[in-house]
Amino acid sequence: DGGITQSPKYLFRKEGQNVTLSCEQNLNHDAMYWYRQDPGQGLRLIYYSQIVNDFQKGDIAEGYSVSREKKESFPLTVTSAQKNPTAFYLCASSVGWSYNEQFFGPGTRLTVL
Amino acid sequence: GENVEQHPSTLSVQEGDSAVIKCTYSDSASNYFPWYKQELGKRPQLIIDIRSNVGEKKDQRIAVTLNKTAKHFSLHITETQPEDSAVYFCAASISVLRTGNQFYFGTGTSLTVIP
Repeated sequence: DGGITQSPKYLFRKEGQNVTLSCEQNLNHDAMYWYRQDPGQGLRLIYYSQIVNDFQKGDIAEGYSVSREKKESFPLTVTSAQKNPTAFYLCASSVGWSYNEQFFGPGTRLTVL
Repeated sequence: GENVEQHPSTLSVQEGDSAVIKCTYSDSASNYFPWYKQELGKRPQLIIDIRSNVGEKKDQRIAVTLNKTAKHFSLHITETQPEDSAVYFCAASISVLRTGNQFYFGTGTSLTVIP
């Protein structure tokens, strides 16, 4: 399970505050992904990045932002524009594009009070 | 975009019986179909995958079948054991040059194996 880490495991924030979730991998993977997991809705893609300094919006990018300044890091910022930010957030990485397994981090549970 | 539907949402089987989970997808460009298992409180982990040029793949008690014409794929678990109890997710992936893979997940099936 090692190689991709997320921090913190639990995060509490007040409504209206921006918050940044960390995702780091030492697998030398080119591709990284952010998903949101809600009960009964599976995993929904927020953003993904295939190379450094490049990223693409997923299906639910509104209210989120990312950066990919380093190959091993892909932080996700949940902004105050996200209307329902309370959720479980999963980061994943893979070797590259095409038929490659995604490896998931342990997740961060964000609760907005 | 791609739409992946997964059924059933919950499934209970007796230990030793088989379990089948089915998924359909909408975009014929999808070419990679992984299945993930997520145990309670843990991260999803890949259990088996299949590419669009293959109709069936087996790994011990787990098998996946793909019907490209009908745009559906299924996970088969034989001789189920209590440790198979988990949530299973199917996914479909479209590989796009330069922008890479975009994965679309089903809503999950909660499998309970009754001892």
